[in-house]
Amino acid sequence: SQQGEEDPQALSIQEGENATMNCSYKTSINNLQWYRQNSGRGLVHLILIRSNEREKHSGRLRVTLDTSKKSSSLLITASRAADTASYFCATVGGGGKLIFGQGTELSVKP
Amino acid sequence: NAGVTQTPKFQVLKTGQSMTLQCAQDMNHEYMSWYRQDPGMGLRLIHYSVGAGITDQGEVPNGYNVSRSTTEDFPLRLLSAAPSQTSVYFCASSYLSHKSNSPLHFGNGTRLTVT
Repeated sequence: SQQGEEDPQALSIQEGENATMNCSYKTSINNLQWYRQNSGRGLVHLILIRSNEREKHSGRLRVTLDTSKKSSSLLITASRAADTASYFCATVGGGGKLIFGQGTELSVKP
Repeated sequence: NAGVTQTPKFQVLKTGQSMTLQCAQDMNHEYMSWYRQDPGMGLRLIHYSVGAGITDQGEVPNGYNVSRSTTEDFPLRLLSAAPSQTSVYFCASSYLSHKSNSPLHFGNGTRLTVT
C-alpha cells in the first residue's frame, strides 16, 4: 500500500489565498519530500525535510514535519494561478526507495 | 545537460505484444527508478536500481523486467502487454537517497495504451 496519503485530494482557492496540504505516512522515514506536477509533465522537486527537522522554508513554501504523528504539511502562501498543479509527498525509507502518496490537486482561480 | 530522457513519448500496443521503454540520464546518478501513474492511484514504484548491475522490485513489479548494464540507462521491458498496463510511465533518477538525501529528477513520461 502507499506510504504517503495526502489530504485533501482536491483543493480550490482564490488567487492570493494560502493553500495547505497534508501528508500522513506509516513507517519511519529518513526524509520526506514534496513534488509538484503540472498537467502532462513529470514531477518536479520542491522541498526536502529531514527526519530531524521540524520546519523548513523555501520562498512561498513552508513545510512542517511531525514524526510523532507521522505527518507533514505543505503551505503555499499568497497563491498564484501558476501554482495550479498536483502536489505529492514522498517518503524515503530503508534502502533509499522513494514512495509517493496519491497527491492533492490544487486549483488556484484568478 | 539533458537530464532524464524517456522514449517514446507515446505508444500503443496490442495485448500480448512486447516492448521496451527507454530511460537515460546524464547526471551520473546511481539511483534510477520506474513509476507508473494511474488516475486516483498516485505514483507506484515498479522497479528500481541503486547502481549498475543491481536492480530490485518496487510495489508493482509483476509484468515488468528491468536491467541496469550501465549507470546511464535503465530500460523497462513489458514482456506481454496487458490492458491493465495502460498507464503513464515515469523514469526518475537521483544520487543515492539514503546517503545524500538527494531529490529525484523525472523524465517527461511515456503514455502507453494497450488495446
